Amino acid sequence: DTAVSQTPKYLVTQMGNDKSIKCEQNLGHDTMYWYKQDSKKFLKIMFSYNNKELIINETVPNRFSPKSPDKAHLNLHINSLELGDSAVYFCASSQEINYGYTFGSGTRLTVV
Amino acid sequence: GESVGLHLPTLSVQEGDNSIINCAYSNSASDYFIWYKQESGKGPQFIIDIRSNMDKRQGQRVTVLLNKTVKHLSLQIAATQPGDSAVYFCAETKGSWGKFQFGAGTQVVVTP
Repeated sequence: DTAVSQTPKYLVTQMGNDKSIKCEQNLGHDTMYWYKQDSKKFLKIMFSYNNKELIINETVPNRFSPKSPDKAHLNLHINSLELGDSAVYFCASSQEINYGYTFGSGTRLTVV
Repeated sequence: GESVGLHLPTLSVQEGDNSIINCAYSNSASDYFIWYKQESGKGPQFIIDIRSNMDKRQGQRVTVLLNKTVKHLSLQIAATQPGDSAVYFCAETKGSWGKFQFGAGTQVVVTP
């Protein structure tokens, strides 16, 4: 049983399209996150939700919109995709804020 | 072997030797630190953590050392095995941040 699952694993799309990545955790954690990993493996936080409430919104273009329908799900919608959005996006969850994360296996987004 | 975790350097270690991975963290206010291991195609995985009121913590084959004076964290892996080949990240946080800041990562390659 996968603890944090993301779909899709791979996403190839054209510039200008709109796409969504879904994340679900079955750990009963209260906090969920989206991180972006660039080609140099650098991990940067994008968003964090605690019990469906947005608590962290880093300097991310407003083309990126997270949505948390319940505390087990955190989805990421991206409008008007750009070449620079190509990266691996990781969802993570933690029992409490600032507790160790459990990461999903990532979604590799390629914008062409 | 030893490395400093900047710009994803590579640490090459012979199987059976001990590895030391170094991390210079950025914020003197950070009070909680975690080491993560990321294997190819997977999400980062929790290895070991340490709080700022400690300077050493041991796990199974791994030891984390914290030197707050010089803002330095290290991960020692005893008797390195082929399965230890991965990218290793240090991450820091402070209670009020609600997020972890990740270091640049170090690629460990275990040679037979």
